[in-house]
Amino acid sequence: EVQLVESGGGLVKPGGSLRLSCGGSGLTFVNAWMNWVRQAPGKGLEWVARIKRNTDGGTTDYAAPVKGRFSISRDDSKTTLYLQMDSLKTEDTAVYYCVSDRLYCSETTCSAGHFDHWGQGTLVTVSS
Amino acid sequence: DIQMTQSPSTLSASVGDRVTITCRAPHNIDRWLAWYQQKPGKAPKVLIYKASRLENGVPSRFSGFGSGTEFTLTISSLQPDDFATYYCQQNNSFGQGTKVEIK
Repeated sequence: EVQLVESGGGLVKPGGSLRLSCGGSGLTFVNAWMNWVRQAPGKGLEWVARIKRNTDGGTTDYAAPVKGRFSISRDDSKTTLYLQMDSLKTEDTAVYYCVSDRLYCSETTCSAGHFDHWGQGTLVTVSS
Repeated sequence: DIQMTQSPSTLSASVGDRVTITCRAPHNIDRWLAWYQQKPGKAPKVLIYKASRLENGVPSRFSGFGSGTEFTLTISSLQPDDFATYYCQQNNSFGQGTKVEIK
């Protein structure tokens, strides 16, 4: 059974920083493309960031609202995904989910199909 | 990223009803669309992927249809466990969500 377990959420003041972690088990973490998806209170789902596996270049991508402030990274030796969040704003308040991609690969390239495994989420509250 | 348009935003229905939710893409996305169910306080879970493929363990009363720009999620006979919020998704974009409420 795949398990993704987030940690690191909490209360932080505007302008502050926080680092989220996500430990994975039951999946071949080194082969996974991983994401952070968030959900503000009472709102819908918003994709935040993706990191591809190292064999696909370890490329990262970010949603426009967080680009330049958030940084996604991974430590495959620890099967752990991270999200470093700096210059936090009140609008970053949300539950943050760690999510894996279902990949579809041809002979030469892979693409993400849908989000197949989700963690339980960790709440980040940005407030003075 | 493209913006997915989902409707309705709220749907009131009774147990046993057939319900349909629609999702539209601004351009052709072939069949690259997924549907998720989310219950309060829980993470979303995938129901349908590639427009019509049922995820393992999902009841057969759920079905997906469509290709190109217009897609539907249908629940053939609504069960008490199905009252939840449903989202469509393509690439990095989610629809706004449809809350299925008890009538």
